[in-house]
Amino acid sequence: QKEVEQDPGPLSVPEGAIVSLNCTYSNSAFQYFMWYRQYSRKGPELLMYTYSSGNKEDGRFTAQVDKSSKYISLFIRDSQPSDSATYLCAMDSGGSNYKLTFGKGTLLTVNP
Amino acid sequence: DGGITQSPKYLFRKEGQNVTLSCEQNLNHDAMYWYRQDPGQGLRLIYYSQIVNDFQKGDIAEGYSVSREKKESFPLTVTSAQKNPTAFYLCASMARDLITEAFFGQGTRLTVV
Repeated sequence: QKEVEQDPGPLSVPEGAIVSLNCTYSNSAFQYFMWYRQYSRKGPELLMYTYSSGNKEDGRFTAQVDKSSKYISLFIRDSQPSDSATYLCAMDSGGSNYKLTFGKGTLLTVNP
Repeated sequence: DGGITQSPKYLFRKEGQNVTLSCEQNLNHDAMYWYRQDPGQGLRLIYYSQIVNDFQKGDIAEGYSVSREKKESFPLTVTSAQKNPTAFYLCASMARDLITEAFFGQGTRLTVV
């Protein structure tokens, strides 16, 4: 079993839809959870990060972590064509390792 | 502007050649990383370095080599031993006290011709 599992999609939604992106993980040592957004042929950029179980909201984006189920989600409200990108979840166990473990990424297309 | 710069953006390699990809950062970050990205594979870690003059193998280090002689620079050499080098290569850096955010360069697309 891979440490981080993420459905690669592709996922296609109409403009204005609510999008749900998910990752599961097997390593209970993971403490930090991140979502990166990557536009085509560009480097990823950090979108959101969370530390504890629960929800964290930033504008149209909500990151959710359920440590008991080893499950994280990213919700995008009122999705826009500019949200079309690959979304990668990433996790870290902290300590002195400083090494992120990434999911495979989900390709999202928001159609106008 | 602070950031991380990769060059070149596109690189073509003939069979049997070694090529070196450049990665420079001016963010004063201690840790630097090289990832390879293939369609459907996500980011796979090649090498990483947490301090100058020290580096560790990642998950797919075979056929690659790195050096870390300066804090700002972490070049990656793709050797002729790498049998399938065509991929998108991403360099990243991270401050050791801010483990939640890795800053990425814009990538180098390497193609074997």
